Amino acid sequence: RKEVEQDPGPFNVPEGATVAFNCTYSNSASQSFFWYRQDCRKEPKLLMSVYSSGNEDGRFTAQLNRASQYISLLIRDSKLSDSATYLCVVHREYGNKLVFGAGTILRVKS
Amino acid sequence: DAGVIQSPRHEVTEMGQEVTLRCKPISGHDYLFWYRQTMMRGLELLIYFNNNVPIDDSGMPEDRFSAKMPNASFSTLKIQPSEPRDSAVYFCASSNRDRQETQYFGPGTRLLVL
Repeated sequence: RKEVEQDPGPFNVPEGATVAFNCTYSNSASQSFFWYRQDCRKEPKLLMSVYSSGNEDGRFTAQLNRASQYISLLIRDSKLSDSATYLCVVHREYGNKLVFGAGTILRVKS
Repeated sequence: DAGVIQSPRHEVTEMGQEVTLRCKPISGHDYLFWYRQTMMRGLELLIYFNNNVPIDDSGMPEDRFSAKMPNASFSTLKIQPSEPRDSAVYFCASSNRDRQETQYFGPGTRLLVL
């Protein structure tokens, strides 16, 4: 079993739609959680951190459920420019490693 | 400020040849990471350095792979001899001690071994 599991998609949605991605992690020692975004043939870039209380950044909302070891990302009012692969990432403080999920592909269409 | 710089951006080589990938981290960052990304295995950490010292190389696939960081502004990842299964995108990333979990990635080197 992979340490971080994501639905690979693709999620094909129209502009303006709301879309949600989920992610589960297996290592309960994971301390910090993130969503990274990777555009086609580009490097991954940090989208946002994920906090236990849930956090929002514009159209993006991230949530963490430590009991269920589950992370989510909600995108409201999808834009064409949101088309990318979204990587769920956990950070293990022991060993200072980021462990990346395989990514979920989002395609927003007009 | 310049981000993480990698060279070359693309490399095509023949099986058995030596390949050297280069990375310049963001100035002032204490940590440097080498990753490999393939369709089959996703993004995998190969090795990381803290203050130029290798800390964890458990992700290095085999002895054909080696990495060095002779100073704070330069690192190399070497594959010798290269094999077709080494074809992948290799990313270098760096972070600072205060926000170790926020890593900044370079543009990557696309390696094709024929």
